Amino acid sequence: DSGVTQTPKHLITATGQRVTLRCSPRSGDLSVYWYQQSLDQGLQFLIQYYNGEERAKGNILERFSAQQFPDLHSELNLSSLELGDSALYFCASSAEFSGELFFGEGSRLTVL
Amino acid sequence: AQSVTQLGSHVSVSEGALVLLRCNYSSSVPPYLFWYVQYPNQGLQLLLKYTSAATLVKGINGFEAEFKKSETSFHLTKPSAHMSDAAEYFCAVSANTGGFKTIFGAGTRLFVKA
Repeated sequence: DSGVTQTPKHLITATGQRVTLRCSPRSGDLSVYWYQQSLDQGLQFLIQYYNGEERAKGNILERFSAQQFPDLHSELNLSSLELGDSALYFCASSAEFSGELFFGEGSRLTVL
Repeated sequence: AQSVTQLGSHVSVSEGALVLLRCNYSSSVPPYLFWYVQYPNQGLQLLLKYTSAATLVKGINGFEAEFKKSETSFHLTKPSAHMSDAAEYFCAVSANTGGFKTIFGAGTRLFVKA
């Protein structure tokens, strides 16, 4: 158990819809990262937050947004969903600025 | 900017044989390097990490990796493969370029034959 909790574990929705994925980091970790994992793109870095502030941005689409709240949990919002957004979305947290990440078990999104 | 290249999307070894998973990185500043393992339907977990101390890094489950700056490599090895090692392995690089951003390689799926 990494200590990182993601909900929901599975989500099925339709094209054009909007979903929110939630992540609770390990106790005490200030950094939260979001990754997308798909068969054709591999593991893609989306965005990082540190103590509520956006710290680094990767290949995150404009239809996607994220935030980190004062209690340090984070949400990833995916809107105007397309079939190609079907993927496993991972949240990870870290305690220090070294890149060592602790991953949740992921949220599997299926867009029909 | 950093990048990672893992050579071989699939590697197959016999049980008891040497495991060698290759990783080459690119980084404009001194990097931190990692190997993660992902078992089916699970998140990634850290196997080992290099953070500018010893160049030979030992990790969990008998794995180790050697940082070779001249070759920009960080290959993962295990002397004797076990069936339970079958999983996907990811090499990753991270560096402080105004914010840490960990970049993962495409992954190498390890198959272990009985």
